[in-house]
Amino acid sequence: EAGVAQSPRYKIIEKRQSVAFWCNPISGHATLYWYQQILGQGPKLLIQFQNNGVVDDSQLPKDRFSAERLKGVDSTLKIQPAKLEDSAVYLCASSLTASGRREQYFGPGTRLTVT
Amino acid sequence: AQSVTQPDIHITVSEGASLELRCNYSYGATPYLFWYVQSPGQGLQLLLKYFSGDTLVQGIKGFEAEFKRSQSSFNLRKPSVHWSDAAEYFCAVGLTGNQFYFGTGTSLTVIP
Repeated sequence: EAGVAQSPRYKIIEKRQSVAFWCNPISGHATLYWYQQILGQGPKLLIQFQNNGVVDDSQLPKDRFSAERLKGVDSTLKIQPAKLEDSAVYLCASSLTASGRREQYFGPGTRLTVT
Repeated sequence: AQSVTQPDIHITVSEGASLELRCNYSYGATPYLFWYVQSPGQGLQLLLKYFSGDTLVQGIKGFEAEFKRSQSSFNLRKPSVHWSDAAEYFCAVGLTGNQFYFGTGTSLTVIP
């Protein structure tokens, strides 16, 4: 079974530039998550999709971050414009359903450096 | 405030020694409890989980964890640590409302 795929693995941009990350979840997984993991901290949920609908985006900085999951499969997360404090690893995860008891499967992450 | 606490930011153990990583949570009801491991440059991998029943759960790679309701704890243990266990360990809590929270993590160093 293929795991969660993410690209790119690394990205360096200057502040005020824009960037986009891509995630392809495990086939058949209805729920997709984007997390932000700042160095030395645990992952923080940014947005959760159930199929192509948003379940929770309460911690997504909507003035600069956006995400979509067209057709309920892969997803993109965009930052525009980026700030220095956006430097982090962005993790994508998927699970069969949106439940707190469901195991989440994680991709390798995208390490973003904003200079 | 609701939280997941991992009191130890960093732990160093000798190879072959036993290991215990602490996790405490503060939520009203018993949540679903998880331990994940993150090796450098990798995503998170599930070690074990607890939903109900036997409070001692076994996971992969020889890890186990014990749920103690009275202490709101879910500590991770391993009897004999291997050098390959060096990684970041995260305790996580899942709630019935689809919410999921991670602790701040414990970094494990294994010395020969």
